[in-house]
Amino acid sequence: GNSVTQMEGPVTLSEEAFLTINCTYTATGYPSLFWYVQYPGEGLQLLLKATKADDKGSNKGFEATYRKETTSFHLEKGSVQVSDSAVYFCALSVMGAQKLVFGQGTRLTINP
Amino acid sequence: GAGVSQSPRYKVAKRGQDVALRCDPISGHVSLFWYQQALGQGPEFLTYFQNEAQLDKSGLPSDRFFAERPEGSVSTLKIQRTQQEDSAVYLCASSSRGVGNTIYFGEGSWLTVV
Repeated sequence: GNSVTQMEGPVTLSEEAFLTINCTYTATGYPSLFWYVQYPGEGLQLLLKATKADDKGSNKGFEATYRKETTSFHLEKGSVQVSDSAVYFCALSVMGAQKLVFGQGTRLTINP
Repeated sequence: GAGVSQSPRYKVAKRGQDVALRCDPISGHVSLFWYQQALGQGPEFLTYFQNEAQLDKSGLPSDRFFAERPEGSVSTLKIQRTQQEDSAVYLCASSSRGVGNTIYFGEGSWLTVV
């Protein structure tokens, strides 16, 4: 079946620290990969995506590279800000299936 | 509207009560999705509509759950005879054409069954 495993949280960092949130997946077929973010009091928002191997998705200083050989899509940011505090979800979709499969989420807190 | 709108935002139901959750997708969006998010977990797929047609309901956990979208716009998720394990946030999402395009999520309806 299709599944996503995320690094367990919560994660607490100081402002300007380097961030990595690990995500690995299992999929039947060739998935598209996504990172969604949920800020406090808001709905889920698409942060970035990649649709094929070696693609790099990027947005708001965040990056993630689709690694087929390691079935991974780790989220990185070079210098986090307090405003990045949120819950981050890794997700996949498989061609032909009109649905997203989500990981369990990682809560990130950035302290000033 | 500007985004996906869900109502009610918060609902407390007594066990055994029926509830109805409403979703107003972004105007013109063909695809509509319902997800269930338990506390501390990621969202789990419930069902998918393309216009008024319910094309996938494989995620509905039991026959107590029913969703409809009769005119291809507003959708309602109905839960009959609610049970405590139904307590969760119910998320609605829409997109202009399936998962290939960006999916926009509402803020969710928080259901607590007591």
